[in-house]
Amino acid sequence: KAGVTQTPRYLIKTRGQQVTLSCSPISGHRSVSWYQQTPGQGLQFLFEYFSETQRNKGNFPGRFSGRQFSNSRSEMNVSTLELGDSALYLCASNLAGGIYEQYFGPGTRLTVT
Amino acid sequence: GIQVEQSPPDLILQEGANSTLRCNFSDSVNNLQWFHQNPWGQLINLFYIPSGTKQNGRLSATTVATERYSLLYISSSQTTDSGVYFCAVGVYGQNFVFGPGTRLSVLP
Repeated sequence: KAGVTQTPRYLIKTRGQQVTLSCSPISGHRSVSWYQQTPGQGLQFLFEYFSETQRNKGNFPGRFSGRQFSNSRSEMNVSTLELGDSALYLCASNLAGGIYEQYFGPGTRLTVT
Repeated sequence: GIQVEQSPPDLILQEGANSTLRCNFSDSVNNLQWFHQNPWGQLINLFYIPSGTKQNGRLSATTVATERYSLLYISSSQTTDSGVYFCAVGVYGQNFVFGPGTRLSVLP
């Protein structure tokens, strides 16, 4: 069974631009969670989507948003990029949502200049 | 919210040595996972272990939920074991919370 995939793997953007990242979960998994990883803050939860509905949200500004499609693929969007948004963005899928066992994708490394 | 601590923050070993990594959490949890993050950033599942003991090859893990800690044992370490080890804890109705990680370097 194929693992979690994320595209693109690397991205360089300029301050003020917006960016969209994509995540395809393991086949059959209905939940996708997004995390931001930075050297200073560690791994922080952004939000979780289950059956196209946002179930849980972390403590991030409204510039960070997401959605999930009927095939469980998810996208996250960051508008008006700031230098501090430079990070590794990881998505994780699990079968039934919440705190069931999570499986992570390879991540998208975003650099904002 | 729940707090997660990991110790030690950094660990340097010679190849072949054994090690124990610890994860402490501040409140009761329903689930716990251990991950290994390789140098390319990929988080690899090691154990899903809300309680009890599990073993997988040279690695084993024990979670004592009543005392709010989990241990990850690595025996006969190899250079490929290098990376950062994270524990993540979860409570029903909430998201997983990650610890700060233990950075392991295994020297040849």
